[in-house]
Amino acid sequence: GDSVTQMEGPVTLSEEAFLTINCTYTATGYPSLFWYVQYPGEGLQLLLKATKADDKGSNKGFEATYRKETTSFHLEKGSVQVSDSAVYFCAPARNAGNMLTFGGGTRLMVKP
Amino acid sequence: DAGVTQSPTHLIKTRGQQVTLRCSPKSGHDTVSWYQQALGQGPQFIFQYYEEEERQRGNFPDRFSGHQFPNYSSELNVNALLLGDSALYLCASSHTGTSGNTIYFGEGSWLTVV
Repeated sequence: GDSVTQMEGPVTLSEEAFLTINCTYTATGYPSLFWYVQYPGEGLQLLLKATKADDKGSNKGFEATYRKETTSFHLEKGSVQVSDSAVYFCAPARNAGNMLTFGGGTRLMVKP
Repeated sequence: DAGVTQSPTHLIKTRGQQVTLRCSPKSGHDTVSWYQQALGQGPQFIFQYYEEEERQRGNFPDRFSGHQFPNYSSELNVNALLLGDSALYLCASSHTGTSGNTIYFGEGSWLTVV
């Protein structure tokens, strides 16, 4: 079945630092890829997505590029803020059924 | 345009009891999926409903069942509750047939089994 490997957290950064959260996946075919963010005590919010190889998803300063050859979808942001502190989930989705597979998530803590 | 809405927000049940959680999908969406998220873990897929039928199911026992209504809303039922069923239950909606479409989540229902 599908699976996701994310770097273990917590990742602790100072404000304005550069962020990279690695994500690799195994999936049948060519899934769509998503990053979701979860703030404390809340549900999942879509951060960005990419639907085919070499697509770049972007939102709120975050970016991730669909790399088919390395089955990766690493999340990056050039300058993090304290408000970015949350848990980030990478998830492939089987196009036919729209079923997401999640890993354990990566907790990001940004200090002032 | 309302997003995915879930109810109740929080509830406490006793072991052995039964619980029903409800979900209304985002306008225009016809597919509803349910996920269980234990504390500190990623969400796990329970099942998915489309055209009022269960289309896919994850590795969950038969104590977990669901239903989808003609207006696309959905219920998740859990019978004979165990302490280990304590979790955040998330509903997600999407539109089948649209390639690469976005899957939206509700805020979840926090279930505590005591």
